[in-house]
Parts: sequence; C-alpha cells; structure tokens
Amino acid sequence: RKEVEQDPGPFNVPEGATVAFNCTYSNSASQSFFWYRQDCRKEPKLLMSVYSSGNEDGRFTAQLNRASQYISLLIRDSKLSDSATYLCVVNVPLTTDSWGKLQFGAGTQVVVTP
Amino acid sequence: DTGVSQDPRHKITKRGQNVTFRCDPISEHNRLYWYRQTLGQGPEFLTYFQNEAQLEKSRLLSDRFSAERPKGSFSTLEIQRTEQGDSAMYLCASSLSSGKSGGYTFGSGTRLTVV
Repeated sequence: RKEVEQDPGPFNVPEGATVAFNCTYSNSASQSFFWYRQDCRKEPKLLMSVYSSGNEDGRFTAQLNRASQYISLLIRDSKLSDSATYLCVVNVPLTTDSWGKLQFGAGTQVVVTP
Repeated sequence: DTGVSQDPRHKITKRGQNVTFRCDPISEHNRLYWYRQTLGQGPEFLTYFQNEAQLEKSRLLSDRFSAERPKGSFSTLEIQRTEQGDSAMYLCASSLSSGKSGGYTFGSGTRLTVV
C-alpha cells in the first residue's frame, strides 16, 4: 500500500465551478500535512499547509480528518490558472528524527475548462 | 539568494556514464533533500542532510548513487554507471530544521535522460 494515495484524475472542471478531492495517508504518526501544486514540467510549489481545524486560503479550503487519515482540498470559483497537478504531502517521522521527511502522493490532475 | 538552485537543468548521457548534479539550497536552510520524479508520479524521496550529516538514504538508492554535502552548504548527487531506468527529474529541496512552518522549497530540478 502506498503511504499517500490520491485519485489521479483528471478532474475536468468548468471555469467558475467548485472541485474537491482528497487523499489518504497510512502513517498515523504523521503530524504535518500540505498541499503542493505542480505545473507541467515544473517543480512542486507549496500551496498551503493543512491544519487540524481546517483552513482557508482565498478560494482554497483544506480539511484534515485524523481519525480517518484523509486530507481534502476544495477549490471554489475555479480559474483557468488553477489547472495543475495537486500533490498531497505528509511528513513521515523517523526513529532518529521526529520530523523526518515529506512523502508525496502521485498527484491529482485538475483541468479547468473555459 | 532567491531560492534553491540546481545545475545542470538538463543532462543527456549515454548508458554506463557517470553524472553529477549540484544543488545550492537557500542559505539559511540547514536541511537539504533529494527527490526523484518520473512522469505521472509524485516526487520519491532519495536522501536528506541536516547540515553535513546524511540522516537517511532511501532503499530506492542503489549503491550506484551517492550524495554529499561536505560543508553543510551545497550538495552533489552522483550516479555511477547510469542505466536507462535512471532517467527522471532529480529535484533538490531545502528547509529549516523541521520544515513544519512551510514545507520545502524546491529547485527547478535536473532532468536526466539516459540514452
């Protein structure tokens, strides 16, 4: 089983619509969660951190469900520029390092159409 | 220092040759990570450093791969006797000690093609 699993999509979304997708993670010791955005042939860039109580950043809302070990991202009023791959990311603690490393999902592709 | 720099941006090499990539992290970041990404996949962890100490090395990293960060600043990733399966984007990232506040900052990557 992969440590971070995502629906690869693509999610085809009309401009102005809302799209939501989530991911699941397997390591119950993970403490920090992020969504990264990656454009085609570019490096991943941090979109937002995900906090236990849920958080918003403009049109983006992230939720965390620790009991079920899933994270969600919702994009409202989609723009053409939101077309990208969204990577779900969790930290994986190590015995020698409580923070450890970041583990990335394979990404969910979102295509916003005019 | 505006970000993480990687060099070269692209590398084409013949199978069996050795290649070396360089990463210059954000200067105040003490952690440096190497990831590899192939088409349709997320970045896969290879190894990371805190200052000059290499803290973990992935099982994905065969003995043909070696990484160094000799002075706790820039890092190099060397692949010996390259194979076609090594073709990928090699990403370097850096962060402060835990990265909790904002994850990582990635460089633009080195795209390796082994022919």
